[in-house]
Amino acid sequence: SQQGEEDPQALSIQEGENATMNCSYKTSINNLQWYRQNSGRGLVHLILIRSNEREKHSGRLRVTLDTSKKSSSLLITASRAADTASYFCATDPYNYGQNFVFGPGTRLSVLP
Amino acid sequence: EAQVTQNPRYLITVTGKKLTVTCSQNMNHEYMSWYRQDPGLGLRQIYYSMNVEVTDKGDVPEGYKVSRKEKRNFPLILESPSPNQTSLYFCASSLRGVGTGELFFGEGSRLTVL
Repeated sequence: SQQGEEDPQALSIQEGENATMNCSYKTSINNLQWYRQNSGRGLVHLILIRSNEREKHSGRLRVTLDTSKKSSSLLITASRAADTASYFCATDPYNYGQNFVFGPGTRLSVLP
Repeated sequence: EAQVTQNPRYLITVTGKKLTVTCSQNMNHEYMSWYRQDPGLGLRQIYYSMNVEVTDKGDVPEGYKVSRKEKRNFPLILESPSPNQTSLYFCASSLRGVGTGELFFGEGSRLTVL
């Protein structure tokens, strides 16, 4: 099974609303990253949160990390139609720097 | 502009016809990797390279080869493509190994094997 599992698989909201996506993982990690993918395009890095951090902000993004529960959440505030994309969490399950494992992603649709 | 460039972006080929997907990065990154993305399966790593002349298998290496003769290039070779290799392929790079910083992705190469 995959290291990272996002939840929900799909999310549909209205513009202006907040969107929350969750990620669970299985092994101890040094950090966790979130990426966005517009339909069929390459993934774009959003934010990295280290294992000793509990929360991190970047613009309208807020990421939390709970290492005791092996989970992370990505909150997008005041969503826009341009936020429509798939969002993936990624971890290095062995912390060797070799293999990044991505979850299946959350597909976010922001309706105008 | 910092970027990872893949070619071709789209390719339709037939079973057994060898093909190469090229990947080049201009950021002097040590680490490069290939992923394939299939519906419902997310991204799965095919091969990775920690530096020049250092390559290793990822999770789904069967049917693929790679080489890393120069730091900037990391081609993906399908010696005898089969229909189950129809997929969207991504090349990615980072300064050092994954987890040390962000992974930069190419725009993807959509391959169809008939």
